[in-house]
Amino acid sequence: KQEVTQIPAALSVPEGENLVLNCSFTDSAIYNLQWFRQDPGKGLTSLLLIQSSQREQTSGRLNASLDKSSGRSTLYIAASQPGDSATYLCAVSSTTSGTYKYIFGTGTRLKVLA
Amino acid sequence: DAGVIQSPRHEVTEMGQEVTLRCKLISGHNSLFWYRQTMMRGLELLIYFNNNVPIDDSGMPEDRFSAKMPNASFSTLKIQPSEPRDSAVYFCASSPRLAGGSFRTDTQYFGPGTRLTVL
Repeated sequence: KQEVTQIPAALSVPEGENLVLNCSFTDSAIYNLQWFRQDPGKGLTSLLLIQSSQREQTSGRLNASLDKSSGRSTLYIAASQPGDSATYLCAVSSTTSGTYKYIFGTGTRLKVLA
Repeated sequence: DAGVIQSPRHEVTEMGQEVTLRCKLISGHNSLFWYRQTMMRGLELLIYFNNNVPIDDSGMPEDRFSAKMPNASFSTLKIQPSEPRDSAVYFCASSPRLAGGSFRTDTQYFGPGTRLTVL
């Protein structure tokens, strides 16, 4: 059974700092991994999608890496800003019993202090 | 594009009442996912559809929950009768395609969610 864990659960950093969020998963047989951002009271917004054949994806100040063999992904945020404050969730897609499943981690709650 | 639309945004009801949550997909998308989010269990997939057909409903908690896609752009999630433990935020998400036979997926686009409180 696929399980997704995110560490740390919460993080508070001063503005301008570079930071890394971690995601680990137990079953390496995945189709892709996706990082989302969730603002309080809002839905999820997709940040980056990494297919299983890829090693990393970049969008602006965000860089996500994927190491399938070790069951890990990291989300790197450069030069953090107060507007980056949100909960970040990773999700992996894999098959269970022949059907598609998208399993989410519990998230890392990030606060960037001005 | 207006994105995924959910209604109502907030619902407060009493135990035993029927609750219907609604979702309108992004135009052109053909996959639909219903999720439930609670503090205790995080975000859980309840059911997903591809081309109006339910593919996997193993996440549906029990028979009190049912979901339908009467057409390609609209879905409902019904809880009857509702119980206090059903209180959560319910999200639907749509995706532009599932590659035929492989069930790989592109990015999922989430709606704003419906916050359900059952008293």
